[in-house]
Amino acid sequence: QVQLVQSGAEVRKPGASVKVSCKALGYTFASYAIHWVRQAPGQRPEWLGWINTATGSTKFSEKFQDRVTFSRDTSASTAYMELSSLRSEDTAVFYCARCDYSRGHFDYWGQGSRVTVSS
Amino acid sequence: SYELAQPPSVSVSPGQTAAITCSGDALAKQYTSWYQQKPGQAPILVIFRDNERPSGIPARFSGSISGTTVTLTIADVQAEDEAHYYCQTADRSATWAFGGGTVLTVL
Repeated sequence: QVQLVQSGAEVRKPGASVKVSCKALGYTFASYAIHWVRQAPGQRPEWLGWINTATGSTKFSEKFQDRVTFSRDTSASTAYMELSSLRSEDTAVFYCARCDYSRGHFDYWGQGSRVTVSS
Repeated sequence: SYELAQPPSVSVSPGQTAAITCSGDALAKQYTSWYQQKPGQAPILVIFRDNERPSGIPARFSGSISGTTVTLTIADVQAEDEAHYYCQTADRSATWAFGGGTVLTVL
């Protein structure tokens, strides 16, 4: 069955970077986009952007476009999100989610990767 | 960016019907999805394209749209429906956004 399996929890100091992975199982990786979403404690989900897993093209939320990078390894069916210049406000759970290219909804989500930014 | 407004909370008794609204100018032109999120879990898609239900989601969940307001309706509310609910849409520049979320309390 379809699954998105994310990497584990990370702790970083302010100013550092973090890279989260999202491995797709049970479907053809390049047939769906991968979106990334951040959710701080007690807050709404916040959209970071997405990657076209077939072409590698990306689009970012204006809020994060200077600090976030998306990549993918099609041979490993894995997408990556790297966030740089971390600050305490980045402490959150980061999710990847699958999205059909012709639709706008996220039908499967990863389990989430908790990132803690603390000195 | 654009805003999607939801009521912070909705409370109903078991067996009653809950209606959760989401308002925003973008909703008149783009499809809306709804997600259910329970504490410590990832969101789950419950409605897409305004009123379509994914397989596995009970028929008690339905969606509708009127102008720039979309509504998630949960009939015959069960205790297991207690959760946060978020609306979501994308604008024509392929930018996605989530509503502020509504906590559904089953009394």
